[in-house]
Amino acid sequence: GENVEQHPSTLSVQEGDSAVIKCTYSDSASNYFPWYKQELGKGPQLIIDIRSNMDKRQGQRVTVLLNKTVKHLSLQIAATQPGDSAVYFCAERSTNDYKLSFGAGTTVTVRA
Amino acid sequence: KAGVTQTPRYLIKTRGQQVTLSCSPISGHRSVSWYQQTPGQGLQFLFEYFSETQRNKGNFPGRFSGRQFSNSRSEMNVSTLELGDSALYLCASSPREQRGIRYNEQFFGPGTRLTVL
Repeated sequence: GENVEQHPSTLSVQEGDSAVIKCTYSDSASNYFPWYKQELGKGPQLIIDIRSNMDKRQGQRVTVLLNKTVKHLSLQIAATQPGDSAVYFCAERSTNDYKLSFGAGTTVTVRA
Repeated sequence: KAGVTQTPRYLIKTRGQQVTLSCSPISGHRSVSWYQQTPGQGLQFLFEYFSETQRNKGNFPGRFSGRQFSNSRSEMNVSTLELGDSALYLCASSPREQRGIRYNEQFFGPGTRLTVL
């Protein structure tokens, strides 16, 4: 899996609103899709992931959806807080290898 | 458990020099992957080591190399540095496979910020 497209590249939301980030991938063999949050000066932090045998997974204020038919995935952050401001990356991993291929990232800004 | 640690955190080198970066994975994790992060290219996979063997390699020139020790600690080396090698180098740790169970999660360290002048 070499090609992961992510959009939007920037997203500004009012505190309390939802933020939605979308990704598409091209490798049919992809079976694992993590989402990472990266704050300034830090490494990416795993916030939620989903495997190809699922189509939805929920965490605390985050929901990830996976549509394998059209190779789309999305991340929704509900009730956003200022601490959610960061760069978010989707990624995918093929069954055949262990490397992660990342999207270009979405810079989320939560306005107070 | 302590997280992934990387040393040094910051490094300044000049063109033509070489550099060695170090990564200590989470205790018990035997897989270490390295990624390069730049504003232009984003996060790109360099290579992965598991049980002291390179298991995957990305599309980087041979100037980029790595190794893993018996305690799972890993080093990556870049020789003949170029200006374009300036980047944040990230290390990710994973159990990968334990007792027949395959683990997907990879946990990143804070990175080493390399500046090449």
